Amino acid sequence: GAVVSQHPSWVICKSGTSVKIECRSLDFQATTMFWYRQFPKQSLMLMATSNEGSKATYEQGVEKDKFLINHASLTLSTLTVTSAHPEDSSFYICSAREVAGGETQYFGPGTRLLVL
Amino acid sequence: AQSVTQPDIHITVSEGASLELRCNYSYGATPYLFWYVQSPGQGLQLLLKYFSGDTLVQGIKGFEAEFKRSQSSFNLRKPSVHWSDAAEYFCAVGAPLFGNEKLTFGTGTRLTIIP
Repeated sequence: GAVVSQHPSWVICKSGTSVKIECRSLDFQATTMFWYRQFPKQSLMLMATSNEGSKATYEQGVEKDKFLINHASLTLSTLTVTSAHPEDSSFYICSAREVAGGETQYFGPGTRLLVL
Repeated sequence: AQSVTQPDIHITVSEGASLELRCNYSYGATPYLFWYVQSPGQGLQLLLKYFSGDTLVQGIKGFEAEFKRSQSSFNLRKPSVHWSDAAEYFCAVGAPLFGNEKLTFGTGTRLTIIP
């Protein structure tokens, strides 16, 4: 149980294009999902908290117009990197918190983005 | 705000030897505590968690951790490591008092297993 998937696992795009990453909770409902960014050999940096049916809450320093987050259902949140540039290249990981399961976050396998 | 410290950036252990990874936290009350493991290029897998009750918690893959309030610690242990345990380990803390859903992660400890 408590499986979270991400799609795609790998994406390469040209500078200036937009990329959408999906995060799905496969066997549970998640009112809250989180988006993290991880640089090589570093810890996870929380980008934003996504609540179903409402606007995402972004961490300080994260551009909300660049990283668009939508949480349209209890099992799906999307992160769109708009007008991507090489500095946006990173490993993006989502997590989901169960509605009925307390405070535990379950993580997806991550999406590696390379912007050329 | 809560914080987490993992003092060891990199630990090397022989296969079959015991393991202890350190984690210290800062928080004004009893936090929620987690250990996650990350293999290269992968997401995070939950090893174990502590919310309340018995301070010694058992997790998956033979790991356990002990919550010590007096030392503000939540160290991860395994009596005998296997080569497949080589990975990055992250300690994380949540803050239940403020209804804070966020987790604060430590910087991670990279575990290398030698034959």
